[in-house]
Amino acid sequence: AQSVTQLDSHVSVSEGTPVLLRCNYSSSYSPSLFWYVQHPNKGLQLLLKYTSAATLVKGINGFEAEFKKSETSFHLTKPSAHMSDAAEYFCVVRENTGTASKLTFGTGTRLQVTL
Amino acid sequence: EAQVTQNPRYLITVTGKKLTVTCSQNMNHEYMSWYRQDPGLGLRQIYYSMNVEVTDKGDVPEGYKVSRKEKRNFPLILESPSPNQTSLYFCASSLTENSYEQYFGPGTRLTVT
Repeated sequence: AQSVTQLDSHVSVSEGTPVLLRCNYSSSYSPSLFWYVQHPNKGLQLLLKYTSAATLVKGINGFEAEFKKSETSFHLTKPSAHMSDAAEYFCVVRENTGTASKLTFGTGTRLQVTL
Repeated sequence: EAQVTQNPRYLITVTGKKLTVTCSQNMNHEYMSWYRQDPGLGLRQIYYSMNVEVTDKGDVPEGYKVSRKEKRNFPLILESPSPNQTSLYFCASSLTENSYEQYFGPGTRLTVT
């Protein structure tokens, strides 16, 4: 069985400072991992994905995430926050069992960016 | 423009009054699914469809029905809505079930009184 834990429900940073959104996962198989972003009153948009290639994954809008198997983590980072980054972020895991795949969503982290 | 559309975007209804939320995609995707989003719970899958006439239950299917008669459409049906179905609903599609990216609709906010 797979699961994903987002360690912070709410993160607040000042504009121009680094962002760290934490995600731990568990999976019985080699997983694929994703980060999605949801801006207010919008659907979810894929930020980046890890699919067993390079462990450091770069996404859109300057975000990146590092897959660390030993720590079962997939934390999302950005060197410098922008006001437009304020949104809710979801870490998602998918087990690649060779049969039907299933996405499991974390409970979300709301990022607040202040001036 | 490639997109997933949902209608209505907002709906307030009363307990027991049947309703349908429509979902349509214009990307010729095989895989479509419905999620509900509740505070503190993330997104949970209600039903999914791997192709026309092929549907299956997700994690929280109770009280919902779906159909997939055409590839582009995947309506969600609540035969007898109850207040615990008040939620934000998202439809999503992807090329196949194993595609890495799912495309989400804008969401339907449903309130059942």
